[in-house]
Amino acid sequence: DAGITQSPRHKVTETGTPVTLRCHQTENHRYMYWYRQDPGHGLRLIHYSYGVKDTDKGEVSDGYSVSRSKTEDFLLTLESATSSQTSVYFCAISESRAHPYEQYFGPGTRLTVT
Amino acid sequence: GESVGLHLPTLSVQEGDNSIINCAYSNSASDYFIWYKQESGKGPQFIIDIRSNMDKRQGQRVTVLLNKTVKHLSLQIAATQPGDSAVYFCAETSGGSYIPTFGRGTSLIVHP
Repeated sequence: DAGITQSPRHKVTETGTPVTLRCHQTENHRYMYWYRQDPGHGLRLIHYSYGVKDTDKGEVSDGYSVSRSKTEDFLLTLESATSSQTSVYFCAISESRAHPYEQYFGPGTRLTVT
Repeated sequence: GESVGLHLPTLSVQEGDNSIINCAYSNSASDYFIWYKQESGKGPQFIIDIRSNMDKRQGQRVTVLLNKTVKHLSLQIAATQPGDSAVYFCAETSGGSYIPTFGRGTSLIVHP
């Protein structure tokens, strides 16, 4: 998976609790992304980062925040988890503006909110 | 908003046959199209891309065809193998954005 790890790989949590997912890359790529994948919806962008401390919202950002204090780490936080946030979360990286669409994905985190 | 969609949710083929996975898009301003493969339990994997000013691009055993007149994209896989069994997503970018919009995916099942 192109030097991308996600942790945890599986998590079950209760409604209302905060949850943080971590994406770590060893490729020194500038761009990092968080997606969620749900049946019937494909991949939907939550947040992305174009550099350290530079982030922006995607199409489904409500209820999520992100932080990127180092090139290699991109954290996704669910401030107060809800059952609608049960999903598989994928982190992705890309190298440059010249080939930004060539994204490399991590193995995913399966999150269940009960 | 504009969408990227797929004609068929599931495609079953015999090993050795050629596979064609179709994708319809609605955004006439799309400038890049990308195909990804996602195997069970894994993240999507980039396969091939094509610019909107091209109508065909070939890779290793794969060919992508773009018909801008009817806003149709296809991925052809030659001599399909069991290892090709996966979900295939088309995605597009537009307006200079480098963030792709993904379609819902087609499941390809290859029977030995």
